[in-house]
Amino acid sequence: QKEVEQNSGPLSVPEGAIASLNCTYSDRGSQSFFWYRQYSGKSPELIMSIYSNGDKEDGRFTAQLNKASQYVSLLIRDSQPSDSATYLCAVRQVRMDSSYKLIFGSGTRLLVRP
Amino acid sequence: NAGVTQTPKFQVLKTGQSMTLQCAQDMNHNSMYWYRQDPGMGLRLIYYSASEGTTDKGEVPNGYNVSRLNKREFSLRLESAAPSQTSVYFCASSEILRAGGRQETQYFGPGTRLLVL
Repeated sequence: QKEVEQNSGPLSVPEGAIASLNCTYSDRGSQSFFWYRQYSGKSPELIMSIYSNGDKEDGRFTAQLNKASQYVSLLIRDSQPSDSATYLCAVRQVRMDSSYKLIFGSGTRLLVRP
Repeated sequence: NAGVTQTPKFQVLKTGQSMTLQCAQDMNHNSMYWYRQDPGMGLRLIYYSASEGTTDKGEVPNGYNVSRLNKREFSLRLESAAPSQTSVYFCASSEILRAGGRQETQYFGPGTRLLVL
């Protein structure tokens, strides 16, 4: 079982629709969760972080976290063609010495059709 | 303020050749990382440096070495390149590595595309 799992997609939605991206993780002790967006041929950029159960909204983006189900999601409202990219879910794992590392999922490719 | 820079952008090597990938950040970050990204595999951590003077192995360190030259620079060396090392390499940095801090966003460089023949 992968530590962070995402559906590779592509997820295709029409312009203006809500895109829902999902991620599950295996380490029940994880506390911090991140969504990165990566355009083709470019580097990842952070778009959302979430640390507590529930929803966190930032503009058209909403991150949702359910630690009991070990599930993180990203909702993109009013999807635009410019949102077409690969979305990477990342989970922070804490080591015994209190340092941490990010574990990335393989990403979900989102296509927004005009 | 350039953020995280990487050189070179592209490189073609023959099997057995060596090379060093350079990374520098101008954000005064303590922690730096090297990842590789392969199709369908996501980002995998090769090595990281929690702070100047320290380096540690990540998930896939075999075939690589690193040097944290100073607080700004973190290089990745392939001593004897193999076709399996064909990948896109990303350097990243963050302000703090220790758990409990919120200043943990990782900023990525533009990447180096490496082809080993």
